[in-house]
Amino acid sequence: EDQVTQSPEALRLQEGESSSLNCSYTVSGLRGLFWYRQDPGKGPEFLFTLYSAGEEKEKERLKATLTKKESFLHITAPKPEDSATYLCAVQATGTASKLTFGTGTRLQVTL
Amino acid sequence: EAGVTQFPSHSVIEKGQTVTLRCDPISGHDNLYWYRRVMGKEIKFLLHFVKESKQDESGMPNNRFLAERTGGTYSTLKVQPAELEDSGVYFCASSEIDRVHGYTFGSGTRLTVV
Repeated sequence: EDQVTQSPEALRLQEGESSSLNCSYTVSGLRGLFWYRQDPGKGPEFLFTLYSAGEEKEKERLKATLTKKESFLHITAPKPEDSATYLCAVQATGTASKLTFGTGTRLQVTL
Repeated sequence: EAGVTQFPSHSVIEKGQTVTLRCDPISGHDNLYWYRRVMGKEIKFLLHFVKESKQDESGMPNNRFLAERTGGTYSTLKVQPAELEDSGVYFCASSEIDRVHGYTFGSGTRLTVV
């Protein structure tokens, strides 16, 4: 069974204090790994898709990386507006479009 | 472009009652998905439509849940009769074609069964 584990559950950073969120996964065959951002009362908002080990993608202060067992979401010099829950999900080969999600990391960035 | 629209945004019903959730996907999106997040747990897949056909309904919890997609446009998810454990946030998402990319989620319907 496909499984996604995210750590830490919650993270509090000061503005400008860089850190990384972890997503460990087990899947029979990886078709894609997704990162989403979710704000309170909203649905998940797509950030990145990574397809193969060694791939990296960047968007503003966020950078996602992928190995064969885990993915990291690096946040560089975060701002308060980066506060949100960050979700990781995997799509396995042969499962059409079904995503398996982790429970997320709640990030709070303070001034 | 209008996003994925879900309504109601909140619903509180008594155990044993029936509730129908609606999802309007982005126009032209053939793929429509339902997911659910129960308190404290991860978001879990319920089912996937391609146009009006059910492609995968492996995540539907039991036969109290019925999903339809009339004419390949909007979709409804009916829970009848509702039980306490059905409480959670129900998300709908849509995508243009069935390939690996991030689909667009709606804001969800928060269902509370009391």
